[in-house]
Amino acid sequence: DAGITQSPRHKVTETGTPVTLRCHQTENHRYMYWYRQDPGHGLRLIHYSYGVKDTDKGEVSDGYSVSRSKTEDFLLTLESATSSQTSVYFCAISGGQGDGQPQHFGDGTRLSIL
Amino acid sequence: SQQGEEDPQALSIQEGENATMNCSYKTSINNLQWYRQNSGRGLVHLILIRSNEREKHSGRLRVTLDTSKKSSSLLITASRAADTASYFCANGAGSYQLTFGKGTKLSVIP
Repeated sequence: DAGITQSPRHKVTETGTPVTLRCHQTENHRYMYWYRQDPGHGLRLIHYSYGVKDTDKGEVSDGYSVSRSKTEDFLLTLESATSSQTSVYFCAISGGQGDGQPQHFGDGTRLSIL
Repeated sequence: SQQGEEDPQALSIQEGENATMNCSYKTSINNLQWYRQNSGRGLVHLILIRSNEREKHSGRLRVTLDTSKKSSSLLITASRAADTASYFCANGAGSYQLTFGKGTKLSVIP
C-alpha cells in the first residue's frame, strides 16, 4: 500500500468550530488531493496541490482551505464547520511523469458536524 | 458537473459469473481509470486505459473504451466473493486531475 496516513480517522465536532484534517505521505509524490465522498455524489475534488505552497481549487472548494508547507503534508481546514460539511474525506497522492498517473488513496476521515 | 456516470448503480451476481459495469463521461479525455473501494476503505487503482487504446486486460479484468460514444466498460470474469466492492470510473482530461463517477456497487454472492 502507498504510504498515506490520514488523521484523525474519525471526528465529531460542533457547527462553527474550526477543523483541520491532515494527510501525510511517505512516497515523495508531487501531487496531493483532497476529496469528499457523499452518497449520491461519488467523489468530488475539494483542493489539490502540485508542489510545496502550490495549491488550487477543485469542484467544491467553498468553505475549505488548504496548506502544503512540506512535500509530505497536506492540510485541509474547515474554518467554521457547517453541517453540510459532514462527509468522508479522502486524501490522495500521485506522482511520476506524463499523463494518466494513478492516484493512491488514504483510508479516509469520517467527519460529523452536529 | 463533469462527473461521469456508472451503470448500473448496483449489481448482484452469483460467484463465478461475470460482472459488467459501464461508465459514460462528458468531456474529451486523455485516459480513463477504474478504481475499487471496499467498505470503509480508500479507493484502489485497478487499471488505466489511454484515449488511443480500445481494450486492455489485467488478470480477470477487461476494460474497453469507446471515445466516439464517450463510454467505457469494466468486465470482471469469474467473479469471487472478494470482488464485492464499489467500482468507480475516473476520467483524466488533464495530466494530473481526475473526475470520478458515482460508482457501481457490486455484490458477489457465494
